[in-house]
Amino acid sequence: QVQLQESGPGLVKPSGTLSLTCAVSGGSISTNNWWNWVRQPPGKGLEWIGEIYHSGSTNYNPSLKGRVTTSVDKSKNRFSLKLTSVTAADTAVYYCARKAYEGGWFDPWGQGTLVTVSS
Amino acid sequence: DIQMTQSPSSLSASVGDRVTITCRASQTISSYLNWYQQKPGKAPKLLIYAASSLQSGVPSRFSGSGSGTDFTLTISSLQPEDLATYYCQQGYSTPAFGQGTKVEIK
Repeated sequence: QVQLQESGPGLVKPSGTLSLTCAVSGGSISTNNWWNWVRQPPGKGLEWIGEIYHSGSTNYNPSLKGRVTTSVDKSKNRFSLKLTSVTAADTAVYYCARKAYEGGWFDPWGQGTLVTVSS
Repeated sequence: DIQMTQSPSSLSASVGDRVTITCRASQTISSYLNWYQQKPGKAPKLLIYAASSLQSGVPSRFSGSGSGTDFTLTISSLQPEDLATYYCQQGYSTPAFGQGTKVEIK
């Protein structure tokens, strides 16, 4: 079955750029699904960040005020997240997840990766 | 944007108890409502999709109901392994999660 695995630096400096990649295994990224990023600050709830379709279409959370971009690399079957101008408030566990095109449920999820913003 | 509100924010119940968690959407979302279970230190896991469909492999003691703006997740007989935080999520438009309900075992 499809599995997702996040990778990237665990520590980012304030005002820097957070960059993560999600590798998709067990299936193609070029299916009728959206590929998503969700984050969870320590001890808090889930926040949707954004999504990308294999065609390159994207949707983002307006609350992130244009700091987010996502990209897809079909040749490597993976997708990526960039979040610019980070602050301590961006410290969180970042998850990648597949979202059903119809119905919009998230399944499966990656295991998550903790990104800390600190100097 | 559609806001999701869960209640209660936490609850404590005994093994074998029937547990109910509610989720309300700020506007109608038809049946585009999904439920997740998140155990400590783990990624969320899909339990229920489309308001009432049980995800494969999920125990039958979990069930979902509702449509429009009001939804319910029920655990018919609480088990020790159900210790977790439960989230609702609307899939009608830009994804949004409820704030979570933490379930503890007495």
